[in-house]
Amino acid sequence: SQKIEQNSEALNIQEGKTATLTCNYTNYSPAYLQWYRQDPGRGPVFLLLIRENEKEKRKERLKVTFDTTLKQSLFHITASQPADSATYLCALPPAGGYQKVTFGIGTKLQVIP
Amino acid sequence: SQTIHQWPATLVQPVGSPLSLECTVEGTSNPNLYWYRQAAGRGLQLLFYSVGIGQISSEVPQNLSASRPQDRQFILSSKKLLLSDSGFYLCAWTGGNEKLFFGSGTQLSVL
Repeated sequence: SQKIEQNSEALNIQEGKTATLTCNYTNYSPAYLQWYRQDPGRGPVFLLLIRENEKEKRKERLKVTFDTTLKQSLFHITASQPADSATYLCALPPAGGYQKVTFGIGTKLQVIP
Repeated sequence: SQTIHQWPATLVQPVGSPLSLECTVEGTSNPNLYWYRQAAGRGLQLLFYSVGIGQISSEVPQNLSASRPQDRQFILSSKKLLLSDSGFYLCAWTGGNEKLFFGSGTQLSVL
């Protein structure tokens, strides 16, 4: 089965800097990859989806890259703000469908004023 | 617009007691519905998903069960809770595309 690896340790960065989070996966080639944001005590919120034929996708201050050779996605937040502090989850569909999405453990981002 | 309702927000139950968590979706029809659990310090674990009324797929053997009595209603149940059932339970839906929309979650503490 597919395995997703995210750095489960917290990432602390200074306000205004770019935060970069990593998602690595093994054992298969997903058709797409998603990133979600989760605040404490809340459900995850969808942020971005990138497909296997896309190298990069942007949404406002967010940028996601997808390297199918390295089996890795990078999630960037530019000009980070304290309000960006949250846990960010990487998610992958199973081979051949989307019903059983698997989530990484998430990386907790803390933006320091 | 579509909304998802999940209740209760918090629940404290003794070991051996029954459980019933309910989730309803508004503003869409024939959604795919999901129950996830998130234990402290761990990732989201898919428990059940449903593609239609009465159609339930179980992902993890456990003492939990799920039912979908109506198109937009998904219920998570247990006859006898275990300590290990404690966690944050999340209901989610998709409308035929890849994006998952989550409810606000239920924090369950089994004591």
